Amino acid sequence: GAGVSQSPRYKVTKRGQDVALRCDPISGHVSLYWYRQALGQGPEFLTYFNYEAQQDKSGLPNDRFSAERPEGSISTLTIQRTEQRDSAMYRCASSSREFGEQYFGPGTRLTVT
Amino acid sequence: AQSVAQPEDQVNVAEGNPLTVKCTYSVSGNPYLFWYVQYPNRGLQFLLKYITGDNLVKGSYGFEAEFNKSQTSFHLKKPSALVSDSALYFCALTSGNTGKLIFGQGTTLQVKP
Repeated sequence: GAGVSQSPRYKVTKRGQDVALRCDPISGHVSLYWYRQALGQGPEFLTYFNYEAQQDKSGLPNDRFSAERPEGSISTLTIQRTEQRDSAMYRCASSSREFGEQYFGPGTRLTVT
Repeated sequence: AQSVAQPEDQVNVAEGNPLTVKCTYSVSGNPYLFWYVQYPNRGLQFLLKYITGDNLVKGSYGFEAEFNKSQTSFHLKKPSALVSDSALYFCALTSGNTGKLIFGQGTTLQVKP
């Protein structure tokens, strides 16, 4: 079956621009997670949803970052007024239940110039 | 606070020899523990998990892990390493109060022919 998909796979943007990263979870998965991963490091939690409800956004670095999952399926992570320090791999994951194993997408590589 | 430690940045083993990748954790409450593997330029793949029950859990590709509550460890093992096992391995933890995963910093496994 289809796994988690993310788009775009690569995004290059200029400092100060807004970007929207999309995640399409495995069909029927209740929970959806966003992580950020620096090269050679473990993923760092950003936020997660159960259905359309945002359960925990404690990992979002500042108020330039926001996420939504309005219909309990596809999710969008938005970064406003991007800065160079936002450059990273952004990974989405989904799970069939809240504390189950998470299945990761291929990630979006964001580069802010 | 919850944390995961992977004390070895790199583990080197010869093909056919047993391998161990170490992980220790700190959590208040019962731990939910996971191992993931990341191949170069690929996403994270789920290997195995411990939620409750038998302390020895078996996962994909012949890997297993042993949960040790007294030593707060969850080491990943395989009886006979393959060159194709060479990758970056992450241990991860959640407490069960939240779905978010806390990842270790990762251990690079190098299996030489």
